Amino acid sequence: EVVMTQSPATLSVSPGERATLSCRASQSVSTNLAWYQQKPGQAPRLLISGASTRATGIPARFSGSGSGTEFTLTISSLQSEDFAVYYCQQYNNWPPWTFGQGTKVEIK
Amino acid sequence: EVQLVESGGGLVEPGGSLRLSCEVSESTFSTYSMNWVRQAPGKGLEWVSSISDNSGNIFYAASVKGRFTVSRDNAKKSLYLQMNSLRAEDTAVYYCASRICSTGVCPFAYWGQGTLVTVSS
Repeated sequence: EVVMTQSPATLSVSPGERATLSCRASQSVSTNLAWYQQKPGQAPRLLISGASTRATGIPARFSGSGSGTEFTLTISSLQSEDFAVYYCQQYNNWPPWTFGQGTKVEIK
Repeated sequence: EVQLVESGGGLVEPGGSLRLSCEVSESTFSTYSMNWVRQAPGKGLEWVSSISDNSGNIFYAASVKGRFTVSRDNAKKSLYLQMNSLRAEDTAVYYCASRICSTGVCPFAYWGQGTLVTVSS
């Protein structure tokens, strides 16, 4: 099973600032890595697939990078609606499909 | 956009059973691989089960194998999860999610709003 580890657990950022979230896989997942955003009381929403491809309707301030075992989600200028929990997920080696434990982006 | 609507959650005693349903809006449902993902209160996301478009490939997480059964009815555009021998640790919001690709190597593109299952006496 591929273990996904996200850091930090919580990120405190001021609106307008840049946020950088990390995700590490216990073995290579190539670029078969997705990022999801989840707001309280809502379902997760796909942001990024293929490590760097934004899903339909996702603003350009969200960008993803990385391959193999190290991945990054960057939010270039945080808006109020971006404060949420972000999960990475690998879909290269399955089953199981595995998620990181999440990074909460909160208002500083 | 694809709409997924779960139903069937509720309160059940330990050892009991529950059947979840997920209805999908798209007529192309029969081409999707479908999944169940759960989220315990205040916790992260855990994949539970996956079923391919023609039900030929079915997978379960180790934590539910032998207790849960996934199925689908393409004519009804519906996905199901039969949950037996429920335990307190199965308490979670259960989401259905679709994978839309021909290779099988793709993310969970669309999610339902979730249905809460509470296992307690």
